[in-house]
Amino acid sequence: GAVVSQHPSWVICKSGTSVKIECRSLDFQATTMFWYRQFPKQSLMLMATSNEGSKATYEQGVEKDKFLINHASLTLSTLTVTSAHPEDSSFYICSARDLRDGENSPLHFGNGTRLTVT
Amino acid sequence: GQNIDQPTEMTATEGAIVQINCTYQTSGFNGLFWYQQHAGEAPTFLSYNVLDGLEEKGRFSSFLSRSKGYSYLLLKELQMKDSASYLCAVRDSNYQLIWGAGTKLIIKP
Repeated sequence: GAVVSQHPSWVICKSGTSVKIECRSLDFQATTMFWYRQFPKQSLMLMATSNEGSKATYEQGVEKDKFLINHASLTLSTLTVTSAHPEDSSFYICSARDLRDGENSPLHFGNGTRLTVT
Repeated sequence: GQNIDQPTEMTATEGAIVQINCTYQTSGFNGLFWYQQHAGEAPTFLSYNVLDGLEEKGRFSSFLSRSKGYSYLLLKELQMKDSASYLCAVRDSNYQLIWGAGTKLIIKP
């Protein structure tokens, strides 16, 4: 089945630094990838939709200058949390859909990145 | 507004059957998904319903009634490893996924 690799699995950084999270579709191409954030005991919250070769579409309330998304190829999207603060500590998950499976195919998720900002 | 409702938590016994309900109010409907999420891990796909009726996949089944805005996930022969959160998600008319908050299922021996 389709595999999405997300790296790193966890990261601890100091307040004010930037952190980059990578999301790769290993055995399929994904023109669109999705970035979610999940706080403890809460549901997934869509942050942005990453489109290959174009600018990402951000959800309302998500700062595009703080959460930089780059989708340079059909298999790689990156999320950079800039000038991280403790309130950015969360579980970040990327997902992608295998276009070969059609529009109604399920999302395939990366394993997530647990970010802790101290 | 758009809304997905699921029970927050359920408890069941190993070997038993449990039904997790999901009701939704969305702007349009283009399918309903169930995902399983173990603590600290990403969700994994369980089932997809777009037409009314029951979809069976091994120990797991999912039912949909579009007229009632209702779905359930049925888990049979419960195993301890089934302890997880179960997320209901509906794709609306814009093909956006609307997520429920998830149901934490606790399995007791």
